[in-house]
Amino acid sequence: GAVVSQHPSRVICKSGTSVKIECRSLDFQATTMFWYRQFPKQSLMLMATSNEGSKATYEQGVEKDKFLINHASLTLSTLTVTSAHPEDSSFYICSAKGGGHSQPQHFGDGTRLSIL
Amino acid sequence: GQNIDQPTEMTATEGAIVQINCTYQTSGFNGLFWYQQHAGEAPTFLSYNVLDGLEEKGRFSSFLSRSKGYSYLLLKELQMKDSASYLCAVMDSNYQLIWGAGTKLIIKP
Repeated sequence: GAVVSQHPSRVICKSGTSVKIECRSLDFQATTMFWYRQFPKQSLMLMATSNEGSKATYEQGVEKDKFLINHASLTLSTLTVTSAHPEDSSFYICSAKGGGHSQPQHFGDGTRLSIL
Repeated sequence: GQNIDQPTEMTATEGAIVQINCTYQTSGFNGLFWYQQHAGEAPTFLSYNVLDGLEEKGRFSSFLSRSKGYSYLLLKELQMKDSASYLCAVMDSNYQLIWGAGTKLIIKP
């Protein structure tokens, strides 16, 4: 149980393109979803937290107009990187958790984004 | 400030036992998680401790001492596939997860 599907797994696109990444919880209802970014050999960096039906809470330094997050249902959240530039190239990972603070976050497989 | 400390890298031999330590200073405590992350992949959940003591799950065990702000992950009968980074994360008083930088474990034959 507790499967999280994330796609696409890899995106290569030109600078200025907007890229949408989907994150789905397949067998549980995700009351909260998280979006992380990870650069090579570095730790996870939380970008934002989203609760179903609410606006996402962004971490300091993360531009909400550049990284649009939608959490329209209990099983789906999307991250759109708008007008992506080479410095946005990174490994983006979503996670989801169900009710209860002791429940762990379950991660999707990540999306490797490369902006040319 | 909030801080999670774990060794950057450790090396162990196949078949042996290794202990990965994690110390933390956070504003409040609502549990500690261990995750495994293979290179280029997303983390996978290993264990959760909220009470003092040892939790055993097959070859992996996790220990917590809240008074000392300390946890360890114990891996027994090491296999080559255990080569990965191991992430310690603490949930603070606001139920926010504070992540450690991870310990890269290298297993040698």
